[in-house]
Amino acid sequence: AQSVTQLGSHVSVSEGALVLLRCNYSSSVPPYLFWYVQYPNQGLQLLLKYTSAATLVKGINGFEAEFKKSETSFHLTKPSAHMSDAAEYFCAVSANTGNQFYFGTGTSLTVIP
Amino acid sequence: DARVTQTPRHKVTEMGQEVTMRCQPILGHNTVFWYRQTMMQGLELLAYFRNRAPLDDSGMPKDRFSAEMPDATLATLKIQPSEPRDSAVYFCASGPQTQVRSGNTIYFGEGSWLTVV
Repeated sequence: AQSVTQLGSHVSVSEGALVLLRCNYSSSVPPYLFWYVQYPNQGLQLLLKYTSAATLVKGINGFEAEFKKSETSFHLTKPSAHMSDAAEYFCAVSANTGNQFYFGTGTSLTVIP
Repeated sequence: DARVTQTPRHKVTEMGQEVTMRCQPILGHNTVFWYRQTMMQGLELLAYFRNRAPLDDSGMPKDRFSAEMPDATLATLKIQPSEPRDSAVYFCASGPQTQVRSGNTIYFGEGSWLTVV
């Protein structure tokens, strides 16, 4: 079975500060891991995904995430927050034998001017 | 620009009425998901189809909800009768042909915002 846990339902950072959103996964098989972003009143958009090609994954809008098997983590980071980054962020895991996706509960990011 | 299309975008209905939400997956995608999003529960998987066949609908209340794929270009989610607790955003997502070890991405529609009064 697969699952993800997102620590912190709300994160606030100042504009220009580091963004760190945490995600830990549980999987009985090698996982595929994803970060999605949801802007207000919109659907979810893919930010980046890990598929075992490289442990450090770069996504859109300057975000990146590092897969750490020893820590079962896939934290999302961005060196410098921008006001436009304010949104809900979801971590998700998928097994390698199908497309079943399991989403975390989401982290709401607020960027303070 | 391929995208998942959902209709209606917004729906307000009275308790007891039937609600049908429709989804057009991205052409060529053979997996379709229905999710429900609420403030309290977050994203919940309601149903999951592959090649039009339901693979998992364990998250869907069976007494009032039903999901179907009449053809490869249309997925429907029906609620009958609707209740105020069904008020939520319903998202459809689709993904391409599944390959073992592919880690395929799924793509979301804009959602159907349902309010049952």
